[in-house]
Amino acid sequence: AQSVTQPDIHITVSEGASLELRCNYSYGATPYLFWYVQSPGQGLQLLLKYFSGDTLVQGIKGFEAEFKRSQSSFNLRKPSVHWSDAAEYFCAVTQGSQGNLIFGKGTKLSVKP
Amino acid sequence: GAGVSQSPSNKVTEKGKDVELRCDPISGHTALYWYRQSLGQGLEFLIYFQGNSAPDKSGLPSDRFSAERTGGSVSTLTIQRTQQEDSAVYLCASSLRRAANTGELFFGEGSRLTVL
Repeated sequence: AQSVTQPDIHITVSEGASLELRCNYSYGATPYLFWYVQSPGQGLQLLLKYFSGDTLVQGIKGFEAEFKRSQSSFNLRKPSVHWSDAAEYFCAVTQGSQGNLIFGKGTKLSVKP
Repeated sequence: GAGVSQSPSNKVTEKGKDVELRCDPISGHTALYWYRQSLGQGLEFLIYFQGNSAPDKSGLPSDRFSAERTGGSVSTLTIQRTQQEDSAVYLCASSLRRAANTGELFFGEGSRLTVL
């Protein structure tokens, strides 16, 4: 069965430091991959998505992610974290032709001043 | 409003009672999803509606859970004989097409269910 693994439950970084959140997927065919962010008290918002083509995708709020087929990974990165980036981040993959998204368990990001 | 609307935002119920959670998707969105978010468990897929097709119910955890979507718009998730383990935030999302085509689901703010 298709699955998404986010190995880090909670990460703390200092403001201005770089960030990388890990995501690994298990999927038989070429996956469609997504990152969503859930800020405190707000709904989930799409950060970026990968369907095909260039394996480095740019998203909103200065985030980017790189699809690596050989590692079954789709890690999220940001060069310089802002305090407002504190939130929970979810990686997701489509499940075949059904159309629904399968989400990972999320990584909570805390930002130190 | 223009977003996905869910009600109630909070619901406290006693074990064994039935509850109904409502989702009003963005107008024109043909796809509608229900997810459950429990602490430390991420988002658990429950059910997916796409247009007039038969829904994908593969994520419903038991036969106490059911959902319907009337007229291709509003959806109601019903939990019968609630149990304490049903306590969670129930999230609804809608999209223009199935996720594989557009990838963007628009989420509501959720209905927090507490079963005492």
